[in-house]
Amino acid sequence: DTEVTQTPKHLVMGMTNKKSLKCEQHMGHRAMYWYKQKAKKPPELMFVYSYEKLSINESVPSRFSPECPNSSLLNLHLHALQPEDSALYLCASNGPGGRDSPLHFGNGTRLTVT
Amino acid sequence: DAKTTQPPSMDCAEGRAANLPCNHSTISGNEYVYWYRQIHSQGPQYIIHGLKNNETNEMASLIITEDRKSSTLILPHATLRDTAVYYCIVRVSNTGNQFYFGTGTSLTVIP
Repeated sequence: DTEVTQTPKHLVMGMTNKKSLKCEQHMGHRAMYWYKQKAKKPPELMFVYSYEKLSINESVPSRFSPECPNSSLLNLHLHALQPEDSALYLCASNGPGGRDSPLHFGNGTRLTVT
Repeated sequence: DAKTTQPPSMDCAEGRAANLPCNHSTISGNEYVYWYRQIHSQGPQYIIHGLKNNETNEMASLIITEDRKSSTLILPHATLRDTAVYYCIVRVSNTGNQFYFGTGTSLTVIP
């Protein structure tokens, strides 16, 4: 079990669908992250929210739209995805506890785009 | 963006120490080194981190060279459950919120 909860665990969607991934943490963390991981590759940073404001966008296509409604919740809205977007999407959180606060990861949502 | 290099794979006999190296030659003075591992289909699990002193916790030890250009993660008595991909990460210091994963080392613990 992890302290970062991601739902759903698995998602299959068509290229014309709109869906959302959800992430929740109750550790009082103030920074939340989205990573994308393709098979046999390391996680790639997508977005960072700090104190509910988007602080980093790693040039992610606009078909991925993040949202941070409050400090405990992080969403990733998906629209018009491509098959190559199929991947494991990981959420993480950390802080404030100092500049060395480690990331805590959820177990991810495995997304398949058909 | 990755600032670390690791060997792609390593084997270790069960019960022996596993020593996983990482090079981070461009690390800045206030950037921390973190180690995570990932078992298939799970999220990365935090192991340990450090700045310049050696660190030890219940899972592992972290040895950082004096010039901070490399480090070694030590699992003192490897078990089959330690088979995983191990990632060494340098946290970029400008915002404090950028953790970029290197390519990782796939460790196989052999019975």
